[in-house]
Amino acid sequence: SQTIHQWPATLVQPVGSPLSLECTVEGTSNPNLYWYRQAAGRGLQLLFYSVGIGQISSEVPQNLSASRPQDRQFILSSKKLLLSDSGFYLCAWSQGGASSYNSPLHFGNGTRLTVT
Amino acid sequence: EDQVTQSPEALRLQEGESSSLNCSYTVSGLRGLFWYRQDPGKGPEFLFTLYSAGEEKEKERLKATLTKKESFLHITAPKPEDSATYLCAVPKSSSASKIIFGSGTRLSIRP
Repeated sequence: SQTIHQWPATLVQPVGSPLSLECTVEGTSNPNLYWYRQAAGRGLQLLFYSVGIGQISSEVPQNLSASRPQDRQFILSSKKLLLSDSGFYLCAWSQGGASSYNSPLHFGNGTRLTVT
Repeated sequence: EDQVTQSPEALRLQEGESSSLNCSYTVSGLRGLFWYRQDPGKGPEFLFTLYSAGEEKEKERLKATLTKKESFLHITAPKPEDSATYLCAVPKSSSASKIIFGSGTRLSIRP
């Protein structure tokens, strides 16, 4: 069966420091990968998605970037964090390729980021 | 513009008191609607996919239905463990790979 791992679970970082959140998926190949952010009591905002290695689509202009160095690895980064980057970050995967049509997302357990 | 709107924002029910949550959407050429359950501090857990108007899916005390404009999540005789935030989501018109979410309904069931 497929599993998704996301770490760390919580993170407290000062303003201006760098960020690296990592997500890996097991049990599937060529998945679509996603990063979402969820503000307190709000819905999920799509940040980035990727349909393959090195292929990243950015949905919202911001202080963050994403990379996909391997098929099942997705990384969210920032060179200098802002206070407004605080939130709950969620990685997700769905079936890729021809199976991606109507394929639901499956989420990790998220990273709670607090920028101080 | 593609949009997903959920109502109510919050709902408090007594154990055993049935009700419905609403998800309305404005997407051209719907290619599926997803329901998720999210517990505090956790990632959303997939519940259902609905593909076409008239379709229904059931899981324990939950039943999801779909029309051309909206979806309902009916909860029958809920228990305290059904307390969670329920989210609905749809693929964008421009790309089925981009999934957009409503802001959710926070459901609380009192024993």
